[in-house]
Amino acid sequence: NAGVTQTPKFQVLKTGQSMTLQCAQDMNHEYMSWYRQDPGMGLRLIHYSVGAGITDQGEVPNGYNVSRSTTEDFPLRLLSAAPSQTSVYFCASSYSITGVEASYEQYFGPGTRLTVT
Amino acid sequence: AQSVAQPEDQVNVAEGNPLTVKCTYSVSGNPYLFWYVQYPNRGLQFLLKYITGDNLVKGSYGFEAEFNKSQTSFHLKKPSALVSDSALYFCAVRGWMDSSYKLIFGSGTRLLVRP
Repeated sequence: NAGVTQTPKFQVLKTGQSMTLQCAQDMNHEYMSWYRQDPGMGLRLIHYSVGAGITDQGEVPNGYNVSRSTTEDFPLRLLSAAPSQTSVYFCASSYSITGVEASYEQYFGPGTRLTVT
Repeated sequence: AQSVAQPEDQVNVAEGNPLTVKCTYSVSGNPYLFWYVQYPNRGLQFLLKYITGDNLVKGSYGFEAEFNKSQTSFHLKKPSALVSDSALYFCAVRGWMDSSYKLIFGSGTRLLVRP
């Protein structure tokens, strides 16, 4: 298994540009999420999905859109990039979130370092 | 509201000495607690979790953590530190009643193990 993969690894955007960060997992995980990591602030949840066709907002959703058309993929779209979106973005997935045998451990991708100038 | 506090930005310890990385939490109801480690330019890796059961949880790479409900703490420990343990450590919490399944992360503690 490749686990959780993210592309690109690095990206530089100009203010106002749009782009999509890709995330894919090959573990048949129900739950997928996007976080951003900023110095001294830990990880903050942007959006999450509990299954194909279902998405919801996290702590810091403004300026980002997501969709979940398949179990495997969970792209994050920046609609109009701003310098405040300069950050490292991590995608994560989890096998199951319900039931007695649910595993709440999340598997993280390697991250995308985004700079907006 | 759920929250996690990691009161130390950095912990310094000599190789071979025991280490402790502190974490306290605030959550409604019973907590689900996690520790993750991040090495430079890498994603987070799961170390251990507390869901229910024994208060002392053992995890990867010789790490363990003790859940203390009265003190709302979940400190990460290792009896003998290695230089290779140097990394950024994150504590995270989720309330068991939280239907959004969100993990709330602390701000992270950098562990530096001196040879």
